[in-house]
Amino acid sequence: GAVVSQHPSRVICKSGTSVKIECRSLDFQATTMFWYRQFPKQSLMLMATSNEGSKATYEQGVEKDKFLINHASLTLSTLTVTSAHPEDSSFYICSATLVTEQYFGPGTRLTVT
Amino acid sequence: QQQVKQSPQSLIVQKGGISIINCAYENTAFDYFPWYQQFPGKGPALLIAIRPDVSEKKEGRFTISFNKSAKQFSLHIMDSQPGDSATYFCAARSGSARQLTFGSGTQLTVLP
Repeated sequence: GAVVSQHPSRVICKSGTSVKIECRSLDFQATTMFWYRQFPKQSLMLMATSNEGSKATYEQGVEKDKFLINHASLTLSTLTVTSAHPEDSSFYICSATLVTEQYFGPGTRLTVT
Repeated sequence: QQQVKQSPQSLIVQKGGISIINCAYENTAFDYFPWYQQFPGKGPALLIAIRPDVSEKKEGRFTISFNKSAKQFSLHIMDSQPGDSATYFCAARSGSARQLTFGSGTQLTVLP
């Protein structure tokens, strides 16, 4: 139980385009989901907290207009990277909360060319 | 005060040895301390977690030792195996917060 999926696992896009990443809790409902960004050999950096039915809470320094988060249902949150640039290339990881535990998705590798 | 400091940055252990990773925190409001294991290209997976009302928790080859007065906790991997080679992150959370504060990570290599 407590499985979180992400789609796609890898995506390559051209600079200036937008990319949507989906995060789903497969066997439980999650009122709260988190989005992280991870650079090579570094720790997870929290980008935003996503609550079902309300606006996401962004961490300081994260551009909310660039990283659009939608938590449309108790099992789905999406992260859209708008007008992507090469510096947005990174590993994006979501997590979903079940009771007190956070369960992480497998991550999405975004490469912007 | 929200930081969790993790050491060492990297660790090389022989197969069968004990791997020890340490973390220290400042925020006394933290009341939940999980450890995560991450393989390259994958998301972190919860390994073991402890709350400050106990000083030690063991699950198989993995043990967390917790020292509340020193505000430190550590992960011990007994009989380390090459399959344990991964990056390990400690984390902490306070009851009033939903998000985790992560350590910087330790890259463990277990030599065959």
